[in-house]
Amino acid sequence: GQQVMQIPQYQHVQEGEDFTTYCNSSTTLSNIQWYKQRPGGHPVFLIQLVKSGEVKKQKRLTFQFGEAKKNSSLHITATQTTDVGTYFCAGPRRYQFYFGTGTSLTVIP
Amino acid sequence: NAGVTQTPKFRVLKTGQSMTLLCAQDMNHEYMYWYRQDPGMGLRLIHYSVGEGTTAKGEVPDGYNVSRLKKQNFLLGLESAAPSQTSVYFCASRRKLAGENNEQFFGPGTRLTVL
Repeated sequence: GQQVMQIPQYQHVQEGEDFTTYCNSSTTLSNIQWYKQRPGGHPVFLIQLVKSGEVKKQKRLTFQFGEAKKNSSLHITATQTTDVGTYFCAGPRRYQFYFGTGTSLTVIP
Repeated sequence: NAGVTQTPKFRVLKTGQSMTLLCAQDMNHEYMYWYRQDPGMGLRLIHYSVGEGTTAKGEVPDGYNVSRLKKQNFLLGLESAAPSQTSVYFCASRRKLAGENNEQFFGPGTRLTVL
């Protein structure tokens, strides 16, 4: 079945350092979504990528969708304490979404 | 708009007890989902519904049942709770139409402990 793998599982960074999480699918995806979950909270949608090779930016966050549409990445430049949380990618299959295992980001002030 | 709401927020059950989790959305979304979240395993889909009166199994459906009698409500039932069902349960909904930013809206979650 479809699997969405995400690495790393955990990442600790000093405030101001950069952070990247990677998402890989065993199958080609029509699109990929990214979500952020703050500690004790619920997942909140960040962005959706649709096109092969697509790059989107949201302030300090840069999202990429691979040329083969099987991988994606989220890069945060100059992390801040407000970036703390778990970041999930999600790939669709018909009506369902398969979520990656998530990357938990800790930012050390 | 309240978005997606879930009741209860917390619950402790004994093994063998039953309960129903309620999810309600006021966005007129066609699709609704129930996920469970366990440490290190991300979000796993239990059951989903693509419309009123229809439900389907997800990745981990065993031990759960669902019903969608009204478009705005999606109920998750545990007939005989087991410790392995200790988890945080999230409900989500989204529009039927595909396209840009067809995001899932999540509820605040229900933290369930089965002793």
